[in-house]
Amino acid sequence: QVQLQESGPGLVKPSETLSLTCTVSGGSISSYYWSWIRQPPGKGLEWIGYIYYSGSTNYNPSLKSRVTISVDTSKNQFSLKLSSVTAADTAVYYCARGRLYFSAYYYYYMDVWGKGTTVTVSS
Amino acid sequence: EIVMTQSPATLSVSPGERATLSCRASQSVSSNLAWYQQKPGQAPRLLIYGASTRATGIPARFSGSGSGTEFTLTISSLQSEDFAVYYCQQYNNWPLFGQGTKLEIK
Repeated sequence: QVQLQESGPGLVKPSETLSLTCTVSGGSISSYYWSWIRQPPGKGLEWIGYIYYSGSTNYNPSLKSRVTISVDTSKNQFSLKLSSVTAADTAVYYCARGRLYFSAYYYYYMDVWGKGTTVTVSS
Repeated sequence: EIVMTQSPATLSVSPGERATLSCRASQSVSSNLAWYQQKPGQAPRLLIYGASTRATGIPARFSGSGSGTEFTLTISSLQSEDFAVYYCQQYNNWPLFGQGTKLEIK
């Protein structure tokens, strides 16, 4: 079955760029919308953005100016870059597989999640 | 922008009893709603999508209902493994989660 694994530095300095990669195994990255979601300590879930395997993206408006998500289909990976980080960006970061479909409205849900990786922003 | 409000923030229920969790949207989202379960230290798990369709492998004791602005997740007979935090999520140009309901043992 499909599994997702996040990887990247666990500690990032303020004002620098957070970079994470999600590796998809057990299935193809094609035909899905791949999301990044984060969860600050003790708080709820915040969607960051998604990318379609073809490269089209959609970002949370509140983070859009600092977020870039990219995909490498040859490696079955997609990546997150979040620039100019502050302590408020400290969180567990999850990657997830999403399904987007249209039936009068657009529907989107995330059916496979990685285990998450903790990123701390601190000098 | 649509706002998702879950209630109550914390729900205390005894094992074997029924739990009813609510999610309200500030404007209609049709049946565009998903529910997730999250246990401490774990990633969220998809339970329900399209307001009422159970995800693969989800037990029948979990059911979702509602459309428009009012949605409910019902767990018919609580098992010990069901005590967790539950999030609703809608999609209107981008995914948005509710703030969560913590289901605890009474």
